[in-house]
Amino acid sequence: EVVLTQSPATLSLSPGERATLSCRASESVSGYLAWYQQRPGQAPRLLIYDSSNRATDIPARFSGSGSGTDFTLTISSLEPEDFAVYYCQQRGSWPLTFGGGTKVEIK
Amino acid sequence: QVQLVESGGAVVQPGRSLRLSCATSGFTLSNHAMHWVRQAPGKGPEWLALTSYDGKNTKYADSVKARFTISRDNSKNRVYLQMNSLRLDDTAVYYCAKAFIVGPTFFDYWGQGTLVTVSS
Repeated sequence: EVVLTQSPATLSLSPGERATLSCRASESVSGYLAWYQQRPGQAPRLLIYDSSNRATDIPARFSGSGSGTDFTLTISSLEPEDFAVYYCQQRGSWPLTFGGGTKVEIK
Repeated sequence: QVQLVESGGAVVQPGRSLRLSCATSGFTLSNHAMHWVRQAPGKGPEWLALTSYDGKNTKYADSVKARFTISRDNSKNRVYLQMNSLRLDDTAVYYCAKAFIVGPTFFDYWGQGTLVTVSS
């Protein structure tokens, strides 16, 4: 199965700063990677699909890039509601797999 | 709007069975594949099972194959997960999730989850 490794595990930033999150796949998943945001006590919410496409109602400050094995989620300017855990997920092959998450916390 | 509401979570002993249910609304269930995903405390989500739009095709993660069964009743707008031979490491929040596209997919809607605790 495809193993997704996210880094860093924790990112400590201030509101207004730029966040850059990484997801590395153990083998190529082409462009078939998504990003989710999860706030405490809530289900994951789809942010980005197929590497760079924003899901419905997702603000433009969220952007994704990458292909093959290396992917990046960028939040251009952190808002208070963006402090959460972020997961990547691949659909390049079965079984569908998720990364271990990056926590974006307030510095 | 799309809503997914899971139920059936409980505290159960190892080796016992449990059936989870997911009530759906706001979309035509019979047009969409549906999945179950779980998340153990402090861990990332883990995909478990898929049922095709008509229930004729299913797929499972190796960790639950032969123990869990996914099914659906489109007339009742419900998706189910029958869990047998539960183990301690099945403890997690279980989510049903709507497939974004056919085949290997992402999930555009999730329920709020139901907690399953396996403990002796």
